This record gives sequence, C-alpha cells and structure tokens, in this order.
Amino acid sequence: EDQVTQSPEALRLQEGESSSLNCSYTVSGLRGLFWYRQDPGKGPEFLFTLYSAGEEKEKERLKATLTKKESFLHITAPKPEDSATYLCAVNQAGTALIFGKGTTLSVSS
Amino acid sequence: EPEVTQTPSHQVTQMGQEVILRCVPISNHLYFYWYRQILGQKVEFLVSFYNNEISEKSEIFDDQFSVERPDGSNFTLKIRSTKLEDSAMYFCASTGDAEAFFGQGTRLTVV
Repeated sequence: EDQVTQSPEALRLQEGESSSLNCSYTVSGLRGLFWYRQDPGKGPEFLFTLYSAGEEKEKERLKATLTKKESFLHITAPKPEDSATYLCAVNQAGTALIFGKGTTLSVSS
Repeated sequence: EPEVTQTPSHQVTQMGQEVILRCVPISNHLYFYWYRQILGQKVEFLVSFYNNEISEKSEIFDDQFSVERPDGSNFTLKIRSTKLEDSAMYFCASTGDAEAFFGQGTRLTVV
C-alpha cells in the first residue's frame, strides 16, 4: 500500500484557471511534508516544507497547506511556465523521503 | 546559489560492468543521499550517509551498491555488475536543516 498518494495524476488547466493538487499520506509520526517541482529530465526542485496541521506556506502563485491526513498545493492564476510534475514527499523516521507518484500539470495559454 | 552537482549527466554501460556515479553536495550540508527514478515511476530512496557512514538504506540498496565519500567534497555511488533493471535516473541530494536539495541527476542506461 502506498504511503503517499497524489491526485489527480494529470491536470490540464487554462492560463489563469486556479486549482488544487492533493497529497494524502498514511504514515504515522509525520516529521515533515515536502513539495517539489520536477521538470522533465531534471532533478526535483524544493518548494515547501510543512511540519504541523494548519500550517501554510506561499511562494508566488503557489500555496501549500497541511492537515492531519493530507496536504494541498493550491495554484492561483497559473501560467504556462508552471507546467511541471509536482511531487509530494513525507519524512517519517530518519531523514529519508517517501515520494508520491506526482501530479503532472499542464497549463495552456 | 549553492547547488548539488552530479557527473556524468548520462552514462551508458554494458550489462555486468561496474559504474561510479559522482556527486558534489552543497558544502555545508551534513546528510547526503542517493535516490533513483525509473522512467515513469516515482522517486525512490536508496541510501543516506552521515558522518562518514551509512545512516539508512532501503531494500533496493543491496550488496550490488556501495557509497563512499573519498574526500571532503565528493560523494559517490558504485553499482557493481549492472543489470538491465538498473537503468534509471540517479539523483544525489544533500540536507542542511530539513529540506533536501537535489542534483540534476545521472541518466544510467544499461545495455
């Protein structure tokens, strides 16, 4: 059973059309939840870390939120350059990250 | 801006050969990692390294794999007797506080 599940697998938006990506996790004793952006053929690029339920972080058009069972990445008025795969990862024990499969976002102009 | 650098960017090797993937972590980071991503699949943890020894490893990281920090800057992953299923992107990462910063990866193709 996957410990980190992301939905949807793929999302197509028009430029300016806001939406949210979901990451649900089943690990106990969450130490941190991380969002990364990955462009094709590249390494994951760090976006946010969330540690406790109720926490929110923002960066440009992105806002990440955390509850006890899931996290949302809200994208406000996306632009074509926001097209990428967004990865969610959790840290349970130690420092290793457990990744979800990602949501591939395509934003068209 | 400090970054994790990996070499080579691409590596093609014959099945059964040994390969060494190289990484230069961010200089003041203390934890170093290797992850892999098979094409179309999720990023998977292989091993973490702290204070010159392995601190965690996954089931994937068996006797075929080894890691080393041969000097003060480099961090290497050695894969012995490569198999077709070892073909993947291999990412190095390093951590200072909590966030892991990843390199751009080495694409390993085993033929």
